[in-house]
Amino acid sequence: SQQGEEDPQALSIQEGENATMNCSYKTSINNLQWYRQNSGRGLVHLILIRSNEREKHSGRLRVTLDTSKKSSSLLITASRAADTASYFCAKGTAGNKLTFGGGTRVLVKP
Amino acid sequence: EAGVAQSPRYKIIEKRQSVAFWCNPISGHATLYWYQQILGQGPKLLIQFQNNGVVDDSQLPKDRFSAERLKGVDSTLKIQPAKLEDSAVYLCASSTLRRGFSGELFFGEGSRLTVL
Repeated sequence: SQQGEEDPQALSIQEGENATMNCSYKTSINNLQWYRQNSGRGLVHLILIRSNEREKHSGRLRVTLDTSKKSSSLLITASRAADTASYFCAKGTAGNKLTFGGGTRVLVKP
Repeated sequence: EAGVAQSPRYKIIEKRQSVAFWCNPISGHATLYWYQQILGQGPKLLIQFQNNGVVDDSQLPKDRFSAERLKGVDSTLKIQPAKLEDSAVYLCASSTLRRGFSGELFFGEGSRLTVL
């Protein structure tokens, strides 16, 4: 089973717009991570937020975590064509284990 | 710093044949993972090694899949015999161990398997 289910499954926006995707999970976590995957490539780590954190920023990325709702969101501001990719959230648990969700496919149109 | 190396990048085989994938993690990374990613889905963990010991192989189809990590460094994943549903990208990743909690994973480019 896949923990960390993303919503929406696909997203199409214009360059310059913001993109928001959400992730829900079922059991307790140590941290929540977001990864990007360009077509035909491996996954690249974007950001990690610990269970005791509520918000984190990295460049044009903003991640929030609500442990009471077991949900997280990733916001990409001022999107660019190069942001076109699949984005995955992953639940981090003890034992160095990471469980991925199904991903959100983002298309940024120039 | 060299990244995670995987080979081959692409492999096409007939069903019931065997195939092996190789992974060389980032130097010094104690934890190594093999994930299976079917087209349009997220990666699914097949096996996780801590040094050369298996931490989690609960989702590895052990009747056909096997994996080993020699001397706690390189790893191979083997499928024998392959089925059509094994067509997927096999991703290798590595990470450092941070007091037992999951940290950032570094992924290789993946090995794409097509079973005909």
